[in-house]
Amino acid sequence: DGGITQSPKYLFRKEGQNVTLSCEQNLNHDAMYWYRQDPGQGLRLIYYSQIVNDFQKGDIAEGYSVSREKKESFPLTVTSAQKNPTAFYLCDSSIQPGSEQYFGPGTRLTVT
Amino acid sequence: KNQVEQSPQSLIILEGKNCTLQCNYTVSPFSNLRWYKQDTGRGPVSLTIMTFSENTKSNGRYTATLDADTKQSSLHITASQLSDSASYICVVSSVGDSNYQLIWGAGTKLIIKP
Repeated sequence: DGGITQSPKYLFRKEGQNVTLSCEQNLNHDAMYWYRQDPGQGLRLIYYSQIVNDFQKGDIAEGYSVSREKKESFPLTVTSAQKNPTAFYLCDSSIQPGSEQYFGPGTRLTVT
Repeated sequence: KNQVEQSPQSLIILEGKNCTLQCNYTVSPFSNLRWYKQDTGRGPVSLTIMTFSENTKSNGRYTATLDADTKQSSLHITASQLSDSASYICVVSSVGDSNYQLIWGAGTKLIIKP
């Protein structure tokens, strides 16, 4: 059963805590991306990785960190430095940059 | 500045009716234009991808058009069903010399009423 998975679906945290969102794919895709979606806005790119052990900042990387130690996994850490972390987070992957993207189901993070 | 504008912001139609969603873009250089369907609380799912040379592309009851001269695209939904209720997002990709970008529209929220 191939695809891209994100866990958990819902996550609640208290302000000041770091939290890590999981993204796993078994599609053998090189490129993986993290987006943030807020109501009434387009998706905004947080970080992306085109290959293992390499990643680049997107448009809104401040307060976030990532790692890409394995091809299948691209976890996102939302740190306490992120001013407004409550949002819907989407991970996706593609064979290579520019090719069709496959999204995970998303994680809704609520920080109070 | 690269931008993708979608209209209307939201739309309510009766089941069985047709509708057309609009997407205008100012993106350069242009690589391709994609339409996604996003159900509430889920990840987007690709409907169509069109390159510069493609004017129209269909996926079942969904038909996308692209006018690269006027930088406009539309998504036409025929004989709407309740399951078509979702947000529809237009995305333009741009591949430059050293980078690759996806510029996302804010989406059109479509509600189908029985």
